[in-house]
Amino acid sequence: NAGVTQTPKFRVLKTGQSMTLLCAQDMNHEYMYWYRQDPGMGLRLIHYSVGEGTTAKGEVPDGYNVSRLKKQNFLLGLESAAPSQTSVYFCASSPRGLQPQHFGDGTRLSIL
Amino acid sequence: AQSVTQPDIHITVSEGASLELRCNYSYGATPYLFWYVQSPGQGLQLLLKYFSGDTLVQGIKGFEAEFKRSQSSFNLRKPSVHWSDAAEYFCAVGSNTGNQFYFGTGTSLTVIP
Repeated sequence: NAGVTQTPKFRVLKTGQSMTLLCAQDMNHEYMYWYRQDPGMGLRLIHYSVGEGTTAKGEVPDGYNVSRLKKQNFLLGLESAAPSQTSVYFCASSPRGLQPQHFGDGTRLSIL
Repeated sequence: AQSVTQPDIHITVSEGASLELRCNYSYGATPYLFWYVQSPGQGLQLLLKYFSGDTLVQGIKGFEAEFKRSQSSFNLRKPSVHWSDAAEYFCAVGSNTGNQFYFGTGTSLTVIP
């Protein structure tokens, strides 16, 4: 019973490098979300998707892009990493809007 | 816009003591409210939710929360804390569009043996 799986769990990047974080869910959920968690700031929504082929901006979308080509996957991309993007990234999914979210275990990303 | 405030950054309680974590929200309509718990190195796990109806809701692990519209609060309580309850607790409110959630900054709970 995997739930929400995030890949990778840890990553160190240099400023200017690009990378993609993968989120996969096996619960057939329609909605998927990407958050970042920083000390003292709680979770802030980066982007979200309400279904396959859809994406929308959240509170802090700048510097990130997302894609939802398949219902079970939600990718978060950093085109040109900056030190300010050092954070722990969480993916979550829910059956539909306003339903409890299921979270992955997070990706710890450091940008030097 | 919706927002959530958790006034207490860190709380320390003795094992066996009662616990109350505060959450205040800003929302124009009937809110959808949640409490989540996060253990170190883990994702968030749902403790309980309030959508409508009875204002006292029961959750997992012996937690409960009471919705008070007049005070715009949704405080989390537990009668007797266990050492395993040490974690970070987040309150969240659903947006009026139904597409987003707004999280508080969290309360870190330490339990003293």
